[in-house]
Amino acid sequence: DAKTTQPPSMDCAEGRAANLPCNHSTISGNEYVYWYRQIHSQGPQYIIHGLKNNETNEMASLIITEDRKSSTLILPHATLRDTAVYYCIALTQGGSEKLVFGKGTKLTVNP
Amino acid sequence: NAGVTQTPKFRILKIGQSMTLQCAQDMNHNYMYWYRQDPGMGLKLIYYSVGAGITDKGEVPNGYNVSRSTTEDFPLRLELAAPSQTSVYFCASSYSGLNSNQPQHFGDGTRLSIL
Repeated sequence: DAKTTQPPSMDCAEGRAANLPCNHSTISGNEYVYWYRQIHSQGPQYIIHGLKNNETNEMASLIITEDRKSSTLILPHATLRDTAVYYCIALTQGGSEKLVFGKGTKLTVNP
Repeated sequence: NAGVTQTPKFRILKIGQSMTLQCAQDMNHNYMYWYRQDPGMGLKLIYYSVGAGITDKGEVPNGYNVSRSTTEDFPLRLELAAPSQTSVYFCASSYSGLNSNQPQHFGDGTRLSIL
Protein backbone atom coordinates (compact mmCIF):
# COMPACT_ATOMS: atom_id res chain seq x y z
CA ASP A 1 0.00 0.00 0.00
CA ALA A 2 1.25 3.48 -0.87
CA LYS A 3 2.59 5.71 1.87
CA THR A 4 0.61 8.86 2.57
CA THR A 5 1.83 12.17 3.97
CA GLN A 6 -0.35 14.60 5.88
CA PRO A 7 0.34 17.80 7.83
CA PRO A 8 0.44 17.07 11.56
CA SER A 9 -2.09 19.74 12.49
CA MET A 10 -4.50 22.30 11.08
CA ASP A 11 -6.91 24.87 12.45
CA CYS A 12 -10.25 25.95 11.04
CA ALA A 13 -12.90 28.45 12.10
CA GLU A 14 -16.33 27.10 12.91
CA GLY A 15 -18.66 27.38 9.92
CA ARG A 16 -15.85 27.63 7.41
CA ALA A 17 -14.69 24.90 5.05
CA ALA A 18 -11.88 22.67 6.29
CA ASN A 19 -9.56 21.46 3.52
CA LEU A 20 -7.30 18.62 4.60
CA PRO A 21 -4.54 17.67 2.15
CA CYS A 22 -2.93 14.30 1.64
CA ASN A 23 0.05 13.40 -0.51
CA HIS A 24 0.25 9.90 -1.97
CA SER A 25 2.78 10.33 -4.75
CA THR A 26 3.58 6.59 -5.00
CA ILE A 27 -0.02 5.48 -5.31
CA SER A 28 -0.65 2.76 -7.87
CA GLY A 29 -3.54 2.47 -10.28
CA ASN A 30 -5.60 0.06 -8.20
CA GLU A 31 -5.20 1.80 -4.86
CA TYR A 32 -8.17 3.58 -3.38
CA VAL A 33 -7.86 6.66 -1.17
CA TYR A 34 -9.78 6.30 2.10
CA TRP A 35 -10.41 8.88 4.79
CA TYR A 36 -11.22 8.04 8.39
CA ARG A 37 -11.29 10.23 11.47
CA GLN A 38 -10.95 9.56 15.17
CA ILE A 39 -12.59 11.86 17.63
CA HIS A 40 -10.96 11.79 21.06
CA SER A 41 -11.74 8.61 23.02
CA GLN A 42 -13.93 7.19 20.23
CA GLY A 43 -13.44 4.53 17.60
CA PRO A 44 -12.31 5.49 14.09
CA GLN A 45 -15.11 6.65 11.81
CA TYR A 46 -15.23 6.08 8.06
CA ILE A 47 -15.74 9.28 6.10
CA ILE A 48 -15.32 8.72 2.37
CA HIS A 49 -13.21 6.95 -0.24
CA GLY A 50 -12.49 7.20 -3.96
CA LEU A 51 -10.32 5.95 -6.81
CA LYS A 52 -10.15 8.54 -9.58
CA ASN A 53 -13.25 10.67 -9.59
CA ASN A 54 -14.22 13.24 -7.01
CA GLU A 55 -16.68 11.92 -4.46
CA THR A 56 -19.24 13.53 -2.18
CA ASN A 57 -21.42 12.21 0.60
CA GLU A 58 -23.33 13.64 3.53
CA MET A 59 -20.16 14.12 5.55
CA ALA A 60 -17.56 15.42 3.13
CA SER A 61 -16.17 15.77 -0.37
CA LEU A 62 -13.03 14.11 -1.70
CA ILE A 63 -11.07 15.80 -4.46
CA ILE A 64 -8.41 13.63 -6.15
CA THR A 65 -5.94 15.25 -8.53
CA GLU A 66 -5.85 14.03 -12.09
CA ASP A 67 -2.44 12.36 -11.60
CA ARG A 68 -3.77 10.83 -8.34
CA LYS A 69 -0.66 11.88 -6.44
CA SER A 70 -2.62 13.92 -3.93
CA SER A 71 -6.11 14.46 -2.61
CA THR A 72 -8.05 16.87 -0.41
CA LEU A 73 -10.81 16.09 2.04
CA ILE A 74 -13.28 18.95 2.33
CA LEU A 75 -15.61 19.43 5.28
CA PRO A 76 -17.84 22.16 3.83
CA HIS A 77 -19.07 23.74 7.08
CA ALA A 78 -16.87 22.64 9.94
CA THR A 79 -18.37 22.41 13.42
CA LEU A 80 -16.75 22.01 16.81
CA ARG A 81 -17.69 18.31 16.68
CA ASP A 82 -15.43 17.89 13.64
CA THR A 83 -12.36 18.37 15.85
CA ALA A 84 -10.54 15.06 15.43
CA VAL A 85 -7.52 13.33 13.92
CA TYR A 86 -8.08 12.70 10.22
CA TYR A 87 -6.36 9.80 8.50
CA CYS A 88 -5.73 9.43 4.78
CA ILE A 89 -5.05 5.84 3.71
CA ALA A 90 -4.20 4.33 0.34
CA LEU A 91 -5.48 0.76 0.04
CA THR A 92 -4.85 -1.83 -2.60
CA GLN A 93 -7.89 -3.75 -3.73
CA GLY A 94 -7.04 -7.38 -3.18
CA GLY A 95 -4.40 -6.56 -0.59
CA SER A 96 -4.25 -7.43 3.09
CA GLU A 97 -7.11 -6.92 5.51
CA LYS A 98 -4.97 -4.67 7.68
CA LEU A 99 -6.09 -1.04 7.88
CA VAL A 100 -2.92 0.95 8.53
CA PHE A 101 -3.37 4.36 10.08
CA GLY A 102 -0.46 6.80 9.92
CA LYS A 103 -0.13 9.81 12.21
CA GLY A 104 -2.91 11.75 10.49
CA THR A 105 -3.82 15.44 10.76
CA LYS A 106 -5.12 16.84 14.00
CA LEU A 107 -7.88 19.24 12.96
CA THR A 108 -8.99 21.77 15.55
CA VAL A 109 -12.17 23.68 14.80
CA ASN A 110 -12.24 26.95 16.73
CA PRO A 111 -15.35 28.90 17.76
CA ASN B 1 -29.08 1.78 15.04
CA ALA B 2 -26.46 0.01 17.21
CA GLY B 3 -23.73 -0.80 14.67
CA VAL B 4 -20.69 -2.30 16.44
CA THR B 5 -21.08 -2.69 20.20
CA GLN B 6 -18.15 -3.40 22.51
CA THR B 7 -18.29 -4.37 26.17
CA PRO B 8 -16.99 -3.54 28.67
CA LYS B 9 -15.92 0.06 28.04
CA PHE B 10 -13.29 -0.01 30.78
CA ARG B 11 -11.55 -2.76 32.71
CA ILE B 12 -8.62 -3.12 35.07
CA LEU B 13 -6.97 -6.52 35.33
CA LYS B 14 -4.21 -7.93 37.46
CA ILE B 15 -1.23 -9.61 35.82
CA GLY B 16 -2.05 -13.22 35.00
CA GLN B 17 -5.83 -12.80 35.01
CA SER B 18 -7.91 -13.66 32.00
CA MET B 19 -10.88 -11.94 30.41
CA THR B 20 -12.97 -11.78 27.27
CA LEU B 21 -13.68 -8.59 25.38
CA GLN B 22 -17.05 -8.77 23.71
CA CYS B 23 -17.92 -7.43 20.25
CA ALA B 24 -21.25 -7.64 18.48
CA GLN B 25 -22.52 -6.15 15.23
CA ASP B 26 -26.05 -6.00 13.91
CA MET B 27 -25.29 -5.03 10.31
CA ASN B 28 -25.02 -8.60 9.00
CA HIS B 29 -21.37 -8.00 8.15
CA ASN B 30 -19.26 -10.99 7.22
CA TYR B 31 -15.87 -9.54 8.19
CA MET B 32 -14.89 -8.62 11.73
CA TYR B 33 -11.62 -7.31 13.15
CA TRP B 34 -9.84 -6.67 16.41
CA TYR B 35 -7.29 -3.86 16.69
CA ARG B 36 -5.32 -2.42 19.58
CA GLN B 37 -4.21 1.18 19.84
CA ASP B 38 -1.47 2.19 22.22
CA PRO B 39 -1.24 5.83 23.38
CA GLY B 40 -0.25 8.16 20.54
CA MET B 41 0.09 5.28 18.11
CA GLY B 42 -1.85 3.90 15.18
CA LEU B 43 -3.99 0.77 15.07
CA LYS B 44 -2.45 -2.70 15.04
CA LEU B 45 -4.50 -5.62 13.75
CA ILE B 46 -4.70 -8.53 16.22
CA TYR B 47 -7.08 -10.99 14.56
CA TYR B 48 -9.77 -10.91 11.95
CA SER B 49 -12.53 -13.15 10.64
CA VAL B 50 -14.04 -13.41 7.18
CA GLY B 51 -17.10 -15.31 8.35
CA ALA B 52 -18.51 -17.60 11.02
CA GLY B 53 -16.07 -20.37 11.87
CA ILE B 54 -13.08 -18.70 10.17
CA THR B 55 -10.40 -16.63 11.90
CA ASP B 56 -6.95 -15.40 10.87
CA LYS B 57 -4.00 -13.83 12.62
CA GLY B 58 -3.20 -10.21 12.11
CA GLU B 59 -0.05 -8.28 12.94
CA VAL B 60 0.10 -8.85 16.72
CA PRO B 61 -1.81 -12.05 17.65
CA ASN B 62 0.42 -13.32 20.46
CA GLY B 63 -1.31 -13.44 23.83
CA TYR B 64 -4.81 -13.36 22.33
CA ASN B 65 -7.39 -15.81 21.07
CA VAL B 66 -10.61 -15.33 19.13
CA SER B 67 -13.60 -17.33 18.04
CA ARG B 68 -16.41 -16.67 15.59
CA SER B 69 -19.30 -19.02 16.25
CA THR B 70 -21.92 -16.61 14.87
CA THR B 71 -21.95 -13.85 12.26
CA GLU B 72 -22.83 -11.27 14.92
CA ASP B 73 -20.24 -11.95 17.63
CA PHE B 74 -16.43 -11.90 17.65
CA PRO B 75 -15.05 -12.13 21.21
CA LEU B 76 -11.37 -11.54 21.98
CA ARG B 77 -9.82 -13.47 24.86
CA LEU B 78 -6.75 -12.65 26.91
CA GLU B 79 -5.61 -15.78 28.75
CA LEU B 80 -2.71 -14.49 30.89
CA ALA B 81 -2.86 -10.71 31.05
CA ALA B 82 0.48 -8.89 30.86
CA PRO B 83 1.27 -5.18 31.33
CA SER B 84 2.21 -4.98 27.63
CA GLN B 85 -1.44 -5.63 26.80
CA THR B 86 -2.53 -2.37 28.39
CA SER B 87 -4.19 -0.61 25.46
CA VAL B 88 -7.44 0.48 23.87
CA TYR B 89 -9.05 -2.33 21.92
CA PHE B 90 -11.27 -1.63 18.94
CA CYS B 91 -13.56 -4.04 17.17
CA ALA B 92 -14.62 -3.34 13.58
CA SER B 93 -16.75 -4.95 10.91
CA SER B 94 -17.29 -4.67 7.19
CA TYR B 95 -19.59 -6.29 4.69
CA SER B 96 -17.04 -7.92 2.42
CA GLY B 97 -13.54 -6.85 3.46
CA LEU B 98 -10.99 -4.28 2.36
CA ASN B 99 -10.22 -6.17 -0.82
CA SER B 100 -13.77 -5.55 -1.97
CA ASN B 101 -13.60 -1.84 -1.39
CA GLN B 102 -15.81 -1.88 1.70
CA PRO B 103 -15.15 0.49 4.62
CA GLN B 104 -14.77 -0.75 8.17
CA HIS B 105 -17.15 0.36 10.92
CA PHE B 106 -15.70 0.62 14.41
CA GLY B 107 -16.98 0.27 17.93
CA ASP B 108 -16.14 2.79 20.65
CA GLY B 109 -13.43 0.66 22.18
CA THR B 110 -12.54 -1.10 25.42
CA ARG B 111 -9.93 0.60 27.59
CA LEU B 112 -7.92 -2.10 29.33
CA SER B 113 -5.30 -1.57 32.01
CA ILE B 114 -3.18 -4.41 33.35
CA LEU B 115 -1.52 -3.75 36.70
